[in-house]
Amino acid sequence: AQKITQTQPGMFVQEKEAVTLDCTYDTSDQSYGLFWYKQPSSGEMIFLIYQGSYDEQNATEGRYSLNFQKARKSANLVISASQLGDSAMYFCAMREGRWISASKIIFGSGTRLSIRP
Amino acid sequence: GAVVSQHPSWVICKSGTSVKIECRSLDFQATTMFWYRQFPKQSLMLMATSNEGSKATYEQGVEKDKFLINHASLTLSTLTVTSAHPEDSSFYICSARQRPNLNTEAFFGQGTRLTVV
Repeated sequence: AQKITQTQPGMFVQEKEAVTLDCTYDTSDQSYGLFWYKQPSSGEMIFLIYQGSYDEQNATEGRYSLNFQKARKSANLVISASQLGDSAMYFCAMREGRWISASKIIFGSGTRLSIRP
Repeated sequence: GAVVSQHPSWVICKSGTSVKIECRSLDFQATTMFWYRQFPKQSLMLMATSNEGSKATYEQGVEKDKFLINHASLTLSTLTVTSAHPEDSSFYICSARQRPNLNTEAFFGQGTRLTVV
C-alpha cells in the first residue's frame, strides 16, 4: 500500500521568505512519480512540479524546487521568495508505475500555506 | 499544458434526484480519467479510475451503483451521482492523463461543487 504524509496542517510565512513544505511517502514500488499541486480557494488543482523516482537531479520549476531524498523517502517542496499569491493549500501526491497509464495518483492531507505581507 | 474541462462547476439538486458531471479533455486523448471527491478542508480521495471503453475500477468503499462512471470516448468521462442525498454533497474533481510518456503530469478539471438539499 502506498501512503503520502504531510505533517504540517498549516504554515505562516512572511512575504519574500523561502518556505519548505514537508512530504514523506511510502511505497514498495521501484518506479514511481511524485507531484506537488497547489489548490487555491477556487478549488482548481494547479500542477507545480514533478519528480520521477529515477531522476537523479532535483526538479525545479521557476520558484519551485523539489528536495528529493530517495533514501529517506521524502519529497519536500521549496518555494523561494514567497508571494502573497502563494497562499493556498498544497498537496503532495504520488503515482506508482512510471509506464502504466492507469496507475493511480494519491494525495497527502495537504498543507495550508498563508503568506503574511 | 493540456486542458481538462469539467461541467457543471456547481450544482444544487433535490434529495433523491440524479446528477451528471462531465469531464472532457479538450486538446488531448485521455485513455484514463480519475474521479476524486474532496470534503471541506480535506484531501482528495480517489473514487474510481475510468478507462475508455471498459468498466471503471472503483476504490474500496465507493458504491458502484451510486456513482456511475461512463467513459464512452477518449475525451469524455461522466460521473452520475444517483439518488443523491445530503451526505453526497461534496467537491468532485476529475483528472486525466495523456498516453504514457515522460511527462506524467495529471491535468485536473475545475471541479464541481455538489450541494444536495
